[in-house]
Amino acid sequence: KAGVTQTPRYLIKTRGQQVTLSCSPISGHRSVSWYQQTPGQGLQFLFEYFSETQRNKGNFPGRFSGRQFSNSRSEMNVSTLELGDSALYLCASSWGQSNTGELFFGEGSRLTVL
Amino acid sequence: GENVEQHPSTLSVQEGDSAVIKCTYSDSASNYFPWYKQELGKRPQLIIDIRSNVGEKKDQRIAVTLNKTAKHFSLHITETQPEDSAVYFCAASKQNGNQFYFGTGTSLTVIP
Repeated sequence: KAGVTQTPRYLIKTRGQQVTLSCSPISGHRSVSWYQQTPGQGLQFLFEYFSETQRNKGNFPGRFSGRQFSNSRSEMNVSTLELGDSALYLCASSWGQSNTGELFFGEGSRLTVL
Repeated sequence: GENVEQHPSTLSVQEGDSAVIKCTYSDSASNYFPWYKQELGKRPQLIIDIRSNVGEKKDQRIAVTLNKTAKHFSLHITETQPEDSAVYFCAASKQNGNQFYFGTGTSLTVIP
């Protein structure tokens, strides 16, 4: 079974631009969540989607948004990029409707904002 | 919201010794506590988890304990090996979806 796939793996943007990251979950998994990982801050929850509906949202500004498609693939978008948005963005999928088990992480998309 | 604190941030042990990482949480409604291991340049992977109706769980050299009253849980690794070197994250979640609150991580180095 293929794992969680994230694209692109690396990208460089400049301040003010916008970026879209993509995540394909493990087949059969309906929950997709996104985390921002920065040194010293650990993993910070951005949002979670289940069956195309956003169920939970973390404490990030409205510049961060996401969506989920009918095939469970998810995208997240960051508009008006700031230097502080430089981070590793991790997507995780899970089969359950609630916290019933393991999160399977992708390898991440490393965003650098110049 | 939930707040998870993790200590220590770095830990060095001699091969064969034990390592203990501690986490506290603030929300008594949290009921699921996983631990993830992230090797350098790789994705986080679940190594062990515990639910609020259990006080202790063990899997070979790894064990997790949970004290609901005190709102803290700990990861214990015995007979450490160099391949245990990684960053370990604790997390807590409630039964309202897959929203997890992670600690800031512990960088464990096992010295051969």
